[in-house]
Amino acid sequence: DGGITQSPKYLFRKEGQNVTLSCEQNLNHDAMYWYRQDPGQGLRLIYYSQIVNDFQKGDIAEGYSVSREKKESFPLTVTSAQKNPTAFYLCASSGRRQLEPTLKGEQFFGPGTRLTVL
Amino acid sequence: ILNVEQSPQSLHVQEGDSTNFTCSFPSSNFYALHWYRWETAKSPEALFVMTLNGDEKKKGRISATLNTKEGYSYLYIKGSQPEDSATYLCASSGSGYALNFGKGTSLLVTP
Repeated sequence: DGGITQSPKYLFRKEGQNVTLSCEQNLNHDAMYWYRQDPGQGLRLIYYSQIVNDFQKGDIAEGYSVSREKKESFPLTVTSAQKNPTAFYLCASSGRRQLEPTLKGEQFFGPGTRLTVL
Repeated sequence: ILNVEQSPQSLHVQEGDSTNFTCSFPSSNFYALHWYRWETAKSPEALFVMTLNGDEKKKGRISATLNTKEGYSYLYIKGSQPEDSATYLCASSGSGYALNFGKGTSLLVTP
């Protein structure tokens, strides 16, 4: 089945530790995204990548880092510099508009990872 | 409007009622407007994507309209059912790839 997987589903970390959230897709999509959701908030963009070996900061990139060494994978590291890391994290991917014009940039989402800092 | 705004924040209706939500978005540098349904414990799922002023889309009992000149979209649900209970997200995109999401409308349909 084609789709996006995120692991783990639940993650607990001690304050001051870095932690990496996994996101893998087999949809052959060029673009991948990381969002964060907090109670009462919409999805806020952390980082996105339009192509392998390239990524851009979103609206709330401070305290996070990413890499895009493979098309299928876009891991997110939550560093100790992130002041309030407890949240629900969603990964998404999309194809290129030029190659999939009917989808108009539609994003496909993974199941999410809930991170709790103890 | 600089951000995507959705109203109401939450809605509670009885089974069989029809309802609608509003999404306001920046009309400058506009490319597409997306509606997603996000059920509890599942991933957000795309409902509609619209690009042209006056676009109307329909999927079963759910439909959506788009006004790009004034920057709003409506989502309608006819004859709501308990399985329609979810958070409905609206997002706009411009020339870039990233989507700008609203905070969502949380719908609860009770029998």
